[in-house]
Amino acid sequence: GAVVSQHPSWVICKSGTSVKIECRSLDFQATTMFWYRQFPKQSLMLMATSNEGSKATYEQGVEKDKFLINHASLTLSTLTVTSAHPEDSSFYICSARAIGGYTDTQYFGPGTRLTVL
Amino acid sequence: QKEVEQNSGPLSVPEGAIASLNCTYSDRGSQSFFWYRQYSGKSPELIMFIYSNGDKEDGRFTAQLNKASQYVSLLIRDSQPSDSATYLCAVLKGGSQGNLIFGKGTKLSVKP
Repeated sequence: GAVVSQHPSWVICKSGTSVKIECRSLDFQATTMFWYRQFPKQSLMLMATSNEGSKATYEQGVEKDKFLINHASLTLSTLTVTSAHPEDSSFYICSARAIGGYTDTQYFGPGTRLTVL
Repeated sequence: QKEVEQNSGPLSVPEGAIASLNCTYSDRGSQSFFWYRQYSGKSPELIMFIYSNGDKEDGRFTAQLNKASQYVSLLIRDSQPSDSATYLCAVLKGGSQGNLIFGKGTKLSVKP
């Protein structure tokens, strides 16, 4: 299957700092990438849809000024958590959509575990 | 009614048995369905997808789709302890360019 990488895999930061997470599709081009957040023992929550060359589409309740998304190329999307606070501590996972014959398929990156002190 | 529903489990089966995971969805127009496996602390990994009524087999896994009943299932034959994970059902919403809608997942435990 298609490979998606994320960097960093984990990060610990102080409250008030900004953290940037990269998501790359390694062996395919992805015009669309997705950012999810998952709290412990809870289901995946879609935060936003990242489209190459255009603004991201945010889900209801997700602050676009706090979670900045940039999809600069067909293989790279970044999520920046600005002025992070302890309540932002979570597992952030990206996925990239690979175009298929009948249906597109989403492949997930390994995730980034963010801990805000 | 939730868009994608799964029994949260845990579903416990003995090693070597068949594990049956079920999922229902509300949008009758949905066309594509996906099963992901998520180990604790890890991100989801795609197991298989299905879009035609009937069965689709891949190794020990069989996906079953019944669009009339709005029901999709995943069977795992010869279950192994390494199959213990949370299984996520996802439905593609908004056509081929749409988003995946995930169920909350079913936790499977395979006992040696």
